[in-house]
Amino acid sequence: AQTVTQSQPEMSVQEAETVTLSCTYDTSENNYYLFWYKQPPSRQMILVIRQEAYKQQNATENRFSVNFQKAAKSFSLKISDSQLGDTAMYFCAFMKHDETSYDKVIFGPGTSLSVIP
Amino acid sequence: DGGITQSPKYLFRKEGQNVTLSCEQNLNHDAMYWYRQDPGQGLRLIYYSQIVNDFQKGDIAEGYSVSREKKESFPLTVTSAQKNPTAFYLCASSRLYSNQPQHFGDGTRLSIL
Repeated sequence: AQTVTQSQPEMSVQEAETVTLSCTYDTSENNYYLFWYKQPPSRQMILVIRQEAYKQQNATENRFSVNFQKAAKSFSLKISDSQLGDTAMYFCAFMKHDETSYDKVIFGPGTSLSVIP
Repeated sequence: DGGITQSPKYLFRKEGQNVTLSCEQNLNHDAMYWYRQDPGQGLRLIYYSQIVNDFQKGDIAEGYSVSREKKESFPLTVTSAQKNPTAFYLCASSRLYSNQPQHFGDGTRLSIL
């Protein structure tokens, strides 16, 4: 069974600084997808970034980028130029790639990020 | 704008009472999901549905029931058999058999009176 671990329950960063959130996962699959979701105090889950395991190039989305290390099963999220609106819970998630049947998304326990003015 | 609407935002349940959480989507997604969120535990899957009139149990289905009579709607009933229902409940939807991520509603906070 797949598992997702986020070892940092809480983190803080000064506004305009850079922060990295850690995520590791365990799977025997070769084809899969990884996601980072953001949940601000308003509680709506928002997709931040996604990575296909077959792509070696790390995904980027404006100030958000990932460091995907497939062999190490690591998928960290880097937030550059942190803004107050980045304050939220961040969830790492795993989904097996299968175009013929459903497979559920596995979520990590989350990291609470606070951006300090 | 397309999206997922959950209602109500806050809900209170008395002992022995069943309550129903609403989830409606206009994204034309085939698959819909219900998650429970507790502090420090991330999201846990309660039920999911891939097609109308069909649904499957997730990891923590005991004490919950669902129906899928319409593609757009996937209501969740928290029954009196669920002894610890206080949590935040999130509904999501996605295209079926695709690599596209799930879209989420704003959630419902359920508390016990």
